[in-house]
Amino acid sequence: GAVVSQHPSRVICKSGTSVKIECRSLDFQATTMFWYRQFPKQSLMLMATSNEGSKATYEQGVEKDKFLINHASLTLSTLTVTSAHPEDSSFYICSARDGQSQETQYFGPGTRLLVL
Amino acid sequence: GQNIDQPTEMTATEGAIVQINCTYQTSGFNGLFWYQQHAGEAPTFLSYNVLDGLEEKGRFSSFLSRSKGYSYLLLKELQMKDSASYLCAVRGKYGNKLVFGAGTILRVKS
Repeated sequence: GAVVSQHPSRVICKSGTSVKIECRSLDFQATTMFWYRQFPKQSLMLMATSNEGSKATYEQGVEKDKFLINHASLTLSTLTVTSAHPEDSSFYICSARDGQSQETQYFGPGTRLLVL
Repeated sequence: GQNIDQPTEMTATEGAIVQINCTYQTSGFNGLFWYQQHAGEAPTFLSYNVLDGLEEKGRFSSFLSRSKGYSYLLLKELQMKDSASYLCAVRGKYGNKLVFGAGTILRVKS
C-alpha cells in the first residue's frame, strides 16, 4: 500500500513553545491530507482537512490559530501546534488520500507530543 | 449528525472466528472502512465497502448492508497478533473525511 511518513515520531517540549509536525506522502500525490488527534484509549478525532494550495478546513471546536496547517505541495502537509500547553499532549496522526484512488486514506505512523 | 457504534471490547480464542459489528447513522454515505490499530501505533487499512455485500481478503472479510446501516468485520483463524483495536469509519457523502467509531478492543487468548 501507499506510504505516509511523519516527523518527528516523538517530541517533548516546554509549555509555551511551538511544535511543527510534518506529514509526507512518499509514493503518491496527496491532494488532501487529514490531521487527527487521539487521546489514550479513545478513537481518532478529525482536527482538520488540508487541501493542497488552499486553506485548511477545521472541525468544530478546533482552534485554527492554535493548530496551523500548511499544505504547500502535493506531498507535504505540516501541523504546527502553537503555544503548546500540557493539555495538547496527545498522539497526532496524519492521513493522506491518494489523488488517483478515491477510496482509501493511508495513515502516517503518528507523532506523540508531550508538553511539560 | 453522525453516530457510529461498535462494541467496546471482545475476547476470542486463538484459531477461532470473531465478528465485530458496527452500526452507523450518518448524513450521507460514501463508503465504510475498517482499520486495525495496535497500541501506540497508527491505524492500518484493512477493508473498504461501498456496495452491499461481502468483501473477502485473506483471513479478513467485511460485510456491508447500507439499508440497515450495518457492517461487520470477520476475522478467521485468529492469531495472537490480531489482538488490537479495530476501528470502523464512515465517509460521508460530501468531502472525504472519515468519522471513526470508538473502536473495539479485541483480545485473543491462547
